[in-house]
Amino acid sequence: DSGVTQTPKHLITATGQRVTLRCSPRSGDLSVYWYQQSLDQGLQFLIQYYNGEERAKGNILERFSAQQFPDLHSELNLSSLELGDSALYFCASSAGSGKNEAFFGQGTRLTVV
Amino acid sequence: SQKIEQNSEALNIQEGKTATLTCNYTNYSPAYLQWYRQDPGRGPVFLLLIRENEKEKRKERLKVTFDTTLKQSLFHITASQPADSATYLCALREYGNKLVFGAGTILRVKS
Repeated sequence: DSGVTQTPKHLITATGQRVTLRCSPRSGDLSVYWYQQSLDQGLQFLIQYYNGEERAKGNILERFSAQQFPDLHSELNLSSLELGDSALYFCASSAGSGKNEAFFGQGTRLTVV
Repeated sequence: SQKIEQNSEALNIQEGKTATLTCNYTNYSPAYLQWYRQDPGRGPVFLLLIRENEKEKRKERLKVTFDTTLKQSLFHITASQPADSATYLCALREYGNKLVFGAGTILRVKS
């Protein structure tokens, strides 16, 4: 158990809908990262937050947004969903913003139908 | 931007042999490099971190080397076991702390 909790584990929704994925980092970790992994694809970096502030951004679609709350949990919001958004979404956390290893949650499997 | 290349073809080896996986990178001079293991449908699990001033690092049956001149890291699993079968990912931090991953190499260890 990595200590990172993601909910829900599975999500099935229709095209055009909006969903929110939630991540609770390991106790004490200030950084949260979000990744997308499509079938048989690598991990695509979406966004990183550090202590409530956006720290780094990847090729995140404008339909996607995220935030980190004062209690350090994070949410990833996906809107106007398309079939191609079906993927595993991982959250990871690390102690700092730089050199530390990342600990991943078990992911949320999103299926858009 | 940073580009990370790992063997796209799966590596099939016999139990007991040493598996060697390669990670090459371009357009960056990272201070350190990380290796992770990922099982199907699961989140990656951190294995080892090696810094630029460390030529080699070991942990049990795992060994990582880091050649900043060649811009390459090698990941070795000695005395491999079927339970070592997984996808192995290398990762680097880009400027701005973005942690980026290679596509991974699938390792299959046959008994």
